[in-house]
Amino acid sequence: EAQVTQNPRYLITVTGKKLTVTCSQNMNHEYMSWYRQDPGLGLRQIYYSMNVEVTDKGDVPEGYKVSRKEKRNFPLILESPSPNQTSLYFCASSPDRPLSGNTIYFGEGSWLTVV
Amino acid sequence: DQQVKQNSPSLSVQEGRISILNCDYTNSMFDYFLWYKKYPAEGPTFLISISSIKDKNEDGRFTVFLNKSAKHLSLHIVPSQPGDSAVYFCAAGVNSGTYKYIFGTGTRLKVLA
Repeated sequence: EAQVTQNPRYLITVTGKKLTVTCSQNMNHEYMSWYRQDPGLGLRQIYYSMNVEVTDKGDVPEGYKVSRKEKRNFPLILESPSPNQTSLYFCASSPDRPLSGNTIYFGEGSWLTVV
Repeated sequence: DQQVKQNSPSLSVQEGRISILNCDYTNSMFDYFLWYKKYPAEGPTFLISISSIKDKNEDGRFTVFLNKSAKHLSLHIVPSQPGDSAVYFCAAGVNSGTYKYIFGTGTRLKVLA
């Protein structure tokens, strides 16, 4: 079954404590990205990756890092989380450029609360 | 500045009637548009897309209309079913290799049985 898997699904953490949200896809997709969803702001892209070792900033990259060492994995790293990073995070993947008509597959989401 | 806007945060429709969800954009460079549906506790799922070379795309009960001069697109669901109750996001992008989509803020559709 085609899947984008995120972990953890729910996390409460404290300000400044580094955390990583993992994302893995089993569809051999080249393109992966991270979004955050906030009330009234929709889905905003944090970072994206077009292939292994190729990453780029989205619209709201501040406070986040990513890496793409393997095709299937695209972890999101919060080096020093702050309360304004409390949000619902989605990982997504696509077989090619999303604008070519290919479908973007989203994970189920990770609820992150920073206190 | 919100480049993709969904001005109606919520919409209620009777089962069997038409649901019309609207989306406006400001960037005339956008040439590809998508609609996603999101249920609570699940990730968004792809619904339908349209390229700027078309003004209509249909898939079963779902039809997307694009009015480039008005920078407006709409999603029509006919007939609406209770299972269509979800949050709907429109997204727009530019086919220039930036790989970036801009999503709207979402419209919560409730279909009443």
